[in-house]
Amino acid sequence: GENVEQHPSTLSVQEGDSAVIKCTYSDSASNYFPWYKQELGKRPQLIIDIRSNVGEKKDQRIAVTLNKTAKHFSLHITETQPEDSAVYFCAATSNDYKLSFGAGTTVTVRA
Amino acid sequence: NAGVTQTPKFQVLKTGQSMTLQCAQDMNHNSMYWYRQDPGMGLRLIYYSASEGTTDKGEVPNGYNVSRLNKREFSLRLESAAPSQTSVYFCASSESQPQHFGDGTRLSIL
Repeated sequence: GENVEQHPSTLSVQEGDSAVIKCTYSDSASNYFPWYKQELGKRPQLIIDIRSNVGEKKDQRIAVTLNKTAKHFSLHITETQPEDSAVYFCAATSNDYKLSFGAGTTVTVRA
Repeated sequence: NAGVTQTPKFQVLKTGQSMTLQCAQDMNHNSMYWYRQDPGMGLRLIYYSASEGTTDKGEVPNGYNVSRLNKREFSLRLESAAPSQTSVYFCASSESQPQHFGDGTRLSIL
């Protein structure tokens, strides 16, 4: 099955700086890669996703890049704000059903 | 439009008791999922239902059963609860991707 590894497990950044989270996956057939944000005690919420026919996708301050050859994808958050503090999860799937999640990255934005 | 609704929100059980977690979605999605979330381990798929009338095992199905009651509802049953099943359980639904999550059920087994 798919194995997704996520790094780092914790990330502390100064407000206004950028944050980068990296994930690797094992199944070369994986073709859909979502990122979820989970605030303390809340549900995971989709913030951005990318399919394997695209190398990069942006939505305001967040972007995701995908390198299919190396089997890794990354989340980039620019101009970080206190409300960006949360746990972020990457995931991957090859069949539109069985999402495999990374272990999560706890991001803390220091004011 | 409530999205994905889970009941109960909290539950405490004794070892060996049984329990059914309920999930309902109002987005007319074909697919529904049950995950468990444990500290430092992300979300792990327990069971999923690709469409009404079908269910399949996920990554960690042992100790659980599911029922896709109709297109809206997907329940998760613990027949004989064990302390190792203490976790936060999330239900999700989708029409292909992305998946939309409920608020979760915090389950403690003593």
